Amino acid sequence: QITLKESGPTLVKPTQTLTLTCTFSGFSLSTTRVGVGWIRQPPGKALEWLALIYWNDDKRYSPSLKSRLTITKDTSKNQVVLAMTNMDPVDTATYYCAHSRDYFDYWGQGTLVTVSS
Amino acid sequence: SYVLTQPPSVSVAPGQTARITCGGNNIGSKSVHWYQQKPGQAPVLVVYDDSDRPSGIPERFSGSNSGNTATLTISRVEAGDEADYYCQVWDSSSDHLAVFGGGSQLTIL
Repeated sequence: QITLKESGPTLVKPTQTLTLTCTFSGFSLSTTRVGVGWIRQPPGKALEWLALIYWNDDKRYSPSLKSRLTITKDTSKNQVVLAMTNMDPVDTATYYCAHSRDYFDYWGQGTLVTVSS
Repeated sequence: SYVLTQPPSVSVAPGQTARITCGGNNIGSKSVHWYQQKPGQAPVLVVYDDSDRPSGIPERFSGSNSGNTATLTISRVEAGDEADYYCQVWDSSSDHLAVFGGGSQLTIL
């Protein structure tokens, strides 16, 4: 069965770079049309899509955050990494990774990241 | 960028039918996906490609999409359906980017 799990720091300081890792099992990121995306949700607010990487290393980013985001994959380790630079308190949110095959059909449990000095 | 508009809240009595809308410019030309999110939990896909249901999702959940509005319909609503619901599409006009609606909170009266 497909599972995903996010890992990374729970607390980062303003201006720091956040690095999150999504470790998955049950599928291969070398399979055609498969992708892994990142979505975040500030407390009490809506879902916001951040980035997605496809099996062929094609990458897509949210236009509003594109300059701050980098998504990469390590197919051999079954991992996808998201880096977000210049963190601000407004970036405090639960960050989810999800398996994508035209829709997000499997999600990780999410990890809460707080940005505070 | 493409915008999806959802009503912030929808209320319905148990056993009745809930309809949650998702508005977007010519959304009928796109595939719409719907997610259910209960407090403290990750979202769950309940409808994909406008009207298909993943395995394990009750037949009470259905979807439609035409013109400028997509609709998630939940028949015979139960207390356990109380949750936030989000629609999502891919904006192929902008380099194939994912877009989520603002979410609708379904309250069972």
